[in-house]
Amino acid sequence: GAGVSQTPSNKVTEKGKYVELRCDPISGHTALYWYRQSLGQGPEFLIYFQGTGAADDSGLPNDRFFAVRPEGSVSTLKIQRTERGDSAVYLCASSFAGYNEQFFGPGTRLTVL
Amino acid sequence: GEDVEQSLFLSVREGDSSVINCTYTDSSSTYLYWYKQEPGAGLQLLTYIFSNMDMKQDQRLTVLLNKKDKHLSLRIADTQTGDSAIYFCAEHGSGNTGKLIFGQGTTLQVKP
Repeated sequence: GAGVSQTPSNKVTEKGKYVELRCDPISGHTALYWYRQSLGQGPEFLIYFQGTGAADDSGLPNDRFFAVRPEGSVSTLKIQRTERGDSAVYLCASSFAGYNEQFFGPGTRLTVL
Repeated sequence: GEDVEQSLFLSVREGDSSVINCTYTDSSSTYLYWYKQEPGAGLQLLTYIFSNMDMKQDQRLTVLLNKKDKHLSLRIADTQTGDSAIYFCAEHGSGNTGKLIFGQGTTLQVKP
């Protein structure tokens, strides 16, 4: 595709459930980033992949959050035992390499009831 | 720690200039960025400036960088109603990963 795509665009779940959010980066981009944007705030960094490996996961808030990128392309952000405070827009971005321009997807709006 | 601060709201009349300000903390940032976010849309990179520059002009956009004061500004000339959006300033975080640290965003309201 032409840009970064994210699915689903909206996800409503109940407290305690498990969710997976998917990101399809721009073809050929080796760097992939996940950010979280709460209402009225700027995006906050969660995790960075260079290829298949998580090069920096310092932004993950706790061990309920995990992300994978097994083949160096598509990435999945996984949230276990969701809490109401996890409600936010989860943004994915990709770039040709680290420190290059990041292209953002439209985001997945997660609502935890 | 790393922190980027912006004023929250700016209102201007169509045709006027808009100036959005930002302060940052990490003096080692090599690039500083301005992103635009329209309602329901993803973040769009507007422009960026390299840290060894003090000004960059791109059509209606002018970026000014004062490294001594760690102050960045974005000037939009001849502001149009289509410029109404949230504008985010961002710097690179510590480490060699390219992760971005964003401000909380400035909502620009353009009145006809």
